[in-house]
Amino acid sequence: DIQMTQSPSSLSASVGDRVIITCRASQSIGTYLNWYQQKSRKAPELLIYGASNLQSGVPSSFSGSGSGTDFTFTISSLQPEDFATYYCQQNYSIPRTFGQGTKVEIK
Amino acid sequence: EVQVVDSGGGLVQPGGSLRLSCAASGFTFSNTWMSWVRQAPGKGLEWVANIKPDGSEKYYVDSVKGRFTISRDNAKSSLYLQMNSLRAEDTAVYYCARGGGVFAKWGQGTLVAVSS
Repeated sequence: DIQMTQSPSSLSASVGDRVIITCRASQSIGTYLNWYQQKSRKAPELLIYGASNLQSGVPSSFSGSGSGTDFTFTISSLQPEDFATYYCQQNYSIPRTFGQGTKVEIK
Repeated sequence: EVQVVDSGGGLVQPGGSLRLSCAASGFTFSNTWMSWVRQAPGKGLEWVANIKPDGSEKYYVDSVKGRFTISRDNAKSSLYLQMNSLRAEDTAVYYCARGGGVFAKWGQGTLVAVSS
């Protein structure tokens, strides 16, 4: 199974800050990497697919990059509605696997 | 509007069974891979199973193989998860998701609690 490791596990940031989350795969997955946002007690929502493609309707303040084993998710300017938990997920192989999540909290 | 609506969760005793359902609308269900993803209380996301559009291929995470069965009825635009021999560690919110690898739309989730 491919292990996905996110860092950090949590972070505190202020509105307007630039936030960067990294995700590392235990083996190369090309660009088969997706990012999701989950707000408290809600279903996750797809933000980025294929490592860098913005899902329709998602603000351009979100972006993703990377390939192979190392990936980055960036929020260019943190907004109040962005406080949530973010997950990376690989769809290179079965079983699909997620990172452990990064909780973004208000500073 | 694309919608997926999960249902069927509840409290069940260890060793018991439960069948989850997912009603889809707003997209061509019969052409779409579908998945189940779960989240244990206070934990992260875990993919459980997915199924090809025609139902001919099904894949599972190792921990549920032989106990859970994913199926679909394209005429009803519905997805199912039959869960047998349930264990305490199966306690989670179960989400139906559109897609086999990229989960573009999620249901609201249905809670399965396994406890005596």
